[in-house]
Amino acid sequence: DADVTQTPRNRITKTGKRIMLECSQTKGHDRMYWYRQDPGLGLRLIYYSFDVKDINKGEISDGYSVSRQAQAKFSLSLESAIPNQTALYFCATSEPNSNGYTFGSGTRLTVV
Amino acid sequence: GQQLNQSPQSMFIQEGEDVSMNCTSSSIFNTWLWYKQDPGEGPVLLIALYKAGELTSNGRLTAQFGITRKDSFLNISASIPSDVGIYFCAGRYYGGSQGNLIFGKGTKLSVKP
Repeated sequence: DADVTQTPRNRITKTGKRIMLECSQTKGHDRMYWYRQDPGLGLRLIYYSFDVKDINKGEISDGYSVSRQAQAKFSLSLESAIPNQTALYFCATSEPNSNGYTFGSGTRLTVV
Repeated sequence: GQQLNQSPQSMFIQEGEDVSMNCTSSSIFNTWLWYKQDPGEGPVLLIALYKAGELTSNGRLTAQFGITRKDSFLNISASIPSDVGIYFCAGRYYGGSQGNLIFGKGTKLSVKP
């Protein structure tokens, strides 16, 4: 099994629908992150969580919300999806004093 | 917020050629990292650098932490088709971003056999 698992891998949804992307990890890491990748824009941070009770907004949090259900689970929700939220979404984990992040394989979301 | 300038944005090279890419920042960084993203996958850490001037290799890949602490370089020697992907620089700078990594926009590498 992968260390960081994202579901679904691909999703097509309609404008206005609510959608949840899920992330689970077996690394035992406290820190979890959600990133969005768009061509030419790199990885942009949406939300991050340093532990179950700590949730922080990243640089592009508008239109998104998150829930840290447990140390191992961090989900990202789009309350009312819009077409410009079409992108590749990545979950990542890290330890507090670690320099590297472990990424999931991504969720490709298309909003039509 | 802090941004990293990564260049070039894309490269088209012939198999066997060497590749160079770099990342610059306006702030002093205390850590530089290089990641590779294969098509359809998440980024994977290639090399981590912790000290100014540090030069580290991983197979055909060599990365350097710039002396000014504001830049880093990644070189790939004798490229092969499996080097195709997007390469990201990332780093942390003193006093910023709660220790979160800042990512460059990526260099997309294409290799012609």
